[in-house]
Amino acid sequence: DTGVSQDPRHKITKRGQNVTFRCDPISEHNRLYWYRQTLGQGPEFLTYFQNEAQLEKSRLLSDRFSAERPKGSFSTLEIQRTEQGDSAMYLCASSLVVPLSLTTGELFFGEGSRLTVL
Amino acid sequence: SQKIEQNSEALNIQEGKTATLTCNYTNYSPAYLQWYRQDPGRGPVFLLLIRENEKEKRKERLKVTFDTTLKQSLFHITASQPADSATYLCALPGYSSASKIIFGSGTRLSIRP
Repeated sequence: DTGVSQDPRHKITKRGQNVTFRCDPISEHNRLYWYRQTLGQGPEFLTYFQNEAQLEKSRLLSDRFSAERPKGSFSTLEIQRTEQGDSAMYLCASSLVVPLSLTTGELFFGEGSRLTVL
Repeated sequence: SQKIEQNSEALNIQEGKTATLTCNYTNYSPAYLQWYRQDPGRGPVFLLLIRENEKEKRKERLKVTFDTTLKQSLFHITASQPADSATYLCALPGYSSASKIIFGSGTRLSIRP
């Protein structure tokens, strides 16, 4: 397994356009997270899935953002009607849910998808 | 609300010295705390986890402490090297949902030769 893959790595779009990012997690991982990161800040939680169920979504996330994880495998994050404030690095991470006593709870991150909205 | 604070200013250290980074949190008691390293343009990479019942954890040149009374974790890199230059992030399980992992803003560390 090559780890968490994200596509595309870079996306430049015009304001008002829709964009979609894809994340392929480590194959046996049942939990998948999306984060957004801007320069000089830590990753900001957006949403997470356990298998195909979206269990939590940040209250900061507008209705223009939607994420799916059909069949509990890859995930997509779509941003509709992009705004310049959406420019950021979008990070995906996956993990395997087991009792904490048996694991470090480590999140495995992809390299991110950098979005620039002109 | 839950808050995580890390040194906002960059830390510059002479090679060979010990670098110490701080992570403070407020308003609740997490069961554990994690530290990650992030290089420019890359995703974070996990380094260490420390549980609430552990005072200290070591891994090679890394040492992490966890003071649940002070609500603080310290991250030490001994015998620092230029290759240790990166941003270091602390992360905690969420107050409302332990499955939601929340990150601090990170501290940028530079080790000069």
